[in-house]
Amino acid sequence: QSVLTQPPSVSAAPGQKVTISCSGSSSNIGNSYVSWYQQLPGTAPKFLISENNKRPSGIPDRFSGSKSGTSATLGITGLQTGDEANYYCGTWDSTLSAVVFGGGTKLTVL
Amino acid sequence: QVQLQESGPGLVKPSETLSLTCAVSAASISSYYWSWIRQPPGKGLEWIGYISYSGSTNYNPSLKSRVTISGDTSKNHFSLKLSSVTAADTAVYYCARCLYDILSGHIYDMDVWGQGTTVIVSS
Repeated sequence: QSVLTQPPSVSAAPGQKVTISCSGSSSNIGNSYVSWYQQLPGTAPKFLISENNKRPSGIPDRFSGSKSGTSATLGITGLQTGDEANYYCGTWDSTLSAVVFGGGTKLTVL
Repeated sequence: QVQLQESGPGLVKPSETLSLTCAVSAASISSYYWSWIRQPPGKGLEWIGYISYSGSTNYNPSLKSRVTISGDTSKNHFSLKLSSVTAADTAVYYCARCLYDILSGHIYDMDVWGQGTTVIVSS
């Protein structure tokens, strides 16, 4: 069981928008930056969102991040079939003194 | 650009020690924090631990008794040792560069990842 809670799966049609939630607590999301990672099938995770809501160089503006209290959200607009992947949130947990990840959300673009 | 490459045996016997190395190019291990992360087959990501630019370490409490992360500045690589392995340690192992927040005193983003290496624990 992961410290951060994500929905196991989400789906939407091409061109549509989807959001993926990541729920935690005051010891992790509530007190630390949240990162998001995209893992395409058979590949290593890729850094997608930095410091809650910043896009690293090369990440399209179709991807966005936000944080409120002890929850964070990843948004993807203009969905493409190439966006089909597992998405993970991650942050530091001050009680565990460890990096924690969500269980991952599988995005299907119908 | 910064690149990380994991290497090590793909098969380890139960009760033995798993040893992996992460070679870093285009960045100095003396300038950042560096982590190991693993992913069991069909499952999510699990952080193993990090080593800082100065050689200090921090491990996941669930693995702390079995993990050692060390660095070799002369070769610009860092290593993972996981002792007393069982089948539950079968996973793809990734190394990654971490960014460190001075104000909070902990790492946050993992901005560069290696391609991963598969380790199977089996006799």
